[in-house]
Amino acid sequence: DSGVTQTPKHLITATGQRVTLRCSPRSGDLSVYWYQQSLDQGLQFLIQYYNGEERAKGNILERFSAQQFPDLHSELNLSSLELGDSALYFCASSVGQGGGDTQYFGPGTRLTVL
Amino acid sequence: DAKTTQPNSMESNEEEPVHLPCNHSTISGTDYIHWYRQLPSQGPEYVIHGLTSNVNNRMASLAIAEDRKSSTLILHRATLRDAAVYYCILRAFGGYGGSQGNLIFGKGTKLSVKP
Repeated sequence: DSGVTQTPKHLITATGQRVTLRCSPRSGDLSVYWYQQSLDQGLQFLIQYYNGEERAKGNILERFSAQQFPDLHSELNLSSLELGDSALYFCASSVGQGGGDTQYFGPGTRLTVL
Repeated sequence: DAKTTQPNSMESNEEEPVHLPCNHSTISGTDYIHWYRQLPSQGPEYVIHGLTSNVNNRMASLAIAEDRKSSTLILHRATLRDAAVYYCILRAFGGYGGSQGNLIFGKGTKLSVKP
């Protein structure tokens, strides 16, 4: 158990819908990262927050957004869903954001768009 | 970004040592070498990391070449539970450019362990 929790574990929805994925980082961790894993793209970084502020963006679509709340949990919002958004979404947390920091990953949310 | 090269797949027998290689010829002086693994249907899991010296922890050992252009993850006695995809990742001291510390995953090495 990494200490990072993600809800829900599974999500099945239809195209055009909007969903929210939730992540609670490990106690004391200030950085939260979101990653997407699909069969054809592998693990891709989406976005990072540090202590409530957005710090870096990766391959995140404009239809996707995220935020980190004062209690440090984070939510990833996916809207106007398409079939291609079906993937595993992982959240990771770390104390800081330096090169020597370890990231701890949650179990993921499996999103299926029908 | 400095890149890493790993074999696509490797096989090992249970209870034997496994040496997983990683080449990173363009590594810079401030890049940390990280290893993560991903077991089937699970999130990636931290294994070990180092900068210049060899490192040991309860999971594995990391051997870093003197010129730092390659490294080897060593599992001392492979178990069936070690069957996973292993990722070798470089992370700059302060994060890469506009990327503040996120991990850049390649395809990794898929390790199979035979009983």
